[in-house]
Amino acid sequence: GENVEQHPSTLSVQEGDSAVIKCTYSDSASNYFPWYKQELGKRPQLIIDIRSNVGEKKDQRIAVTLNKTAKHFSLHITETQPEDSAVYFCAADPSGGGADGLTFGKGTHLIIQP
Amino acid sequence: DTAVSQTPKYLVTQMGNDKSIKCEQNLGHDTMYWYKQDSKKFLKIMFSYNNKELIINETVPNRFSPKSPDKAHLNLHINSLELGDSAVYFCASSQAVEQYFGPGTRLTVT
Repeated sequence: GENVEQHPSTLSVQEGDSAVIKCTYSDSASNYFPWYKQELGKRPQLIIDIRSNVGEKKDQRIAVTLNKTAKHFSLHITETQPEDSAVYFCAADPSGGGADGLTFGKGTHLIIQP
Repeated sequence: DTAVSQTPKYLVTQMGNDKSIKCEQNLGHDTMYWYKQDSKKFLKIMFSYNNKELIINETVPNRFSPKSPDKAHLNLHINSLELGDSAVYFCASSQAVEQYFGPGTRLTVT
């Protein structure tokens, strides 16, 4: 089955700096890669996703890049703000159509230092 | 309006008891899921249902039995609860690949 590795487990950055979280996946059949943000005691919320037919996607301060050959994808957050502090999860969809559910990485605790 | 809802939000019970968690989605999605998030925050798929039919069961003990009375509901019944079942259980739904999560049910087994 699919295996998703996520690094780092904890990331502390100064407010205003950029943050990068990296993930690798094992199943070349995976073609959908979402990122979720989870605040303490809340549900995971989809913040951005990318499909395997594109290499990069951007939404305001958040961007995701995908390298299918190397089987890795990354989340980039620029101009970090205190409200960006949360746990971020990458995931991959091994079925390609949603039926099998998502395989998640183990999460990155992002801490924004004021 | 809440898109994916779960009840109860908190559930505290003793070992050996049987309990149920309910999930409802008003998004018109065809596929619903149950995920378990353990104390280390690791999120793992348990079940996937498409149009009331079970799609996957990811090596979950048979004490866990999902039931989907209709496309908008997916309930989770757990028999003979064990200490290791303590976790947050999330329901989710999707139409294609984008999944939307419910608020979670924190289950504590004592």
